[in-house]
Amino acid sequence: DTGVSQDPRHKITKRGQNVTFRCDPISEHNRLYWYRQTLGQGPEFLTYFQNEAQLEKSRLLSDRFSAERPKGSFSTLEIQRTEQGDSAMYLCASSSGLSEQYFGPGTRLTVT
Amino acid sequence: RKEVEQDPGPFNVPEGATVAFNCTYSNSASQSFFWYRQDCRKEPKLLMSVYSSGNEDGRFTAQLNRASQYISLLIRDSKLSDSATYLCVVTVNQAGTALIFGKGTTLSVSS
Repeated sequence: DTGVSQDPRHKITKRGQNVTFRCDPISEHNRLYWYRQTLGQGPEFLTYFQNEAQLEKSRLLSDRFSAERPKGSFSTLEIQRTEQGDSAMYLCASSSGLSEQYFGPGTRLTVT
Repeated sequence: RKEVEQDPGPFNVPEGATVAFNCTYSNSASQSFFWYRQDCRKEPKLLMSVYSSGNEDGRFTAQLNRASQYISLLIRDSKLSDSATYLCVVTVNQAGTALIFGKGTTLSVSS
């Protein structure tokens, strides 16, 4: 499968714990995006990388959130001191330049 | 006011029906426009881009009215497999990076 992959697919954590998600984009894609989707809403943009550079961050990305793409390939999204309001589907997407963004299957986070 | 607004539905239609979805966007500087489809518990997938001249892909027709800041999607001859949530999407910055999604409109096609 050469699509966008995300790991884990599901994560249940207790409030206050840290979690980290991984995204592997389509191999030739230089752009990588993170979105968050809650029930009944469309996805909301969090941040985007071009190669290893993080070029844009939404105001939704509080200081508890950090994203990296160290070698311009896979990316990680870490949430520190999780809160119940962080429960959502975290979607990763990749694209080659301004072409179509292809989404991964998402990581569903439940904070108890 | 939300940047992209859609009627959430649900739209319940029989097979063969024609159904239209509407969407409005608030930022007149919006650059690009799309319809995405999202099946239950799946990721969004691009259905079609939307151009001012209008565009058609089989049973699907999309229209853009920049003056009214309005986007539409028409589905003709609905199939059971068209049942999904349809997301109206715009980009607002010069680089065309972040996709701004509406809440989505849910379509259920029944036999």
